[in-house]
Amino acid sequence: GQQLNQSPQSMFIQEGEDVSMNCTSSSIFNTWLWYKQDPGEGPVLLIALYKAGELTSNGRLTAQFGITRKDSFLNISASIPSDVGIYFCALRTASKLTFGTGTRLQVTL
Amino acid sequence: ETGVTQSPTHLIKTRGQQVTLRCSSQSGHNTVSWYQQALGQGPQFIFQYYREEENGRGNFPPRFSGLQFPNYSSELNVNALELDDSALYLCASSSPGETQYFGPGTRLLVL
Repeated sequence: GQQLNQSPQSMFIQEGEDVSMNCTSSSIFNTWLWYKQDPGEGPVLLIALYKAGELTSNGRLTAQFGITRKDSFLNISASIPSDVGIYFCALRTASKLTFGTGTRLQVTL
Repeated sequence: ETGVTQSPTHLIKTRGQQVTLRCSSQSGHNTVSWYQQALGQGPQFIFQYYREEENGRGNFPPRFSGLQFPNYSSELNVNALELDDSALYLCASSSPGETQYFGPGTRLLVL
């Protein structure tokens, strides 16, 4: 099946730092999604990307759909404690979402 | 507007037992998808229901089955539970092809 490789696996950063994580797939897809999951909760959609090269922002978050359509990255600027959680990239095909393995973000004061 | 709700929040079962998990979709959504999330992993697609019919299935055995009701709520049934079925089970509702909104999940522990 489709594999999504997400890196890094975990990150420990200080409040105020910028964060970057990325995701690569083995195939070409038309939609990249980025979700965040807090402890005890389901994933929440952060950003959706629909076109190769697209760069989209949502507050301090910025995501890009790679030109090759096989990768995407998510940047978080000026991190704050509530950014703590697990970030997943995901691809949408027909009825289902395929998720990456996640990047666990820890923010220290 | 009420979001996606799931019940129960936690459940403990023993091997061989059967379990039923429930999901109420967000108002206006007629599609429900179920995912299994093992510890430290991303969610894995189990199946989707649209207008009470299964509309896509992931790589899960037939002992994972589901139902969708006329009010678009849904059940996930798992028979003959195995230890590896221990996971967080997530339900997501949507309109067809649109953004999926997830509930908080049901954490199942199989002993």
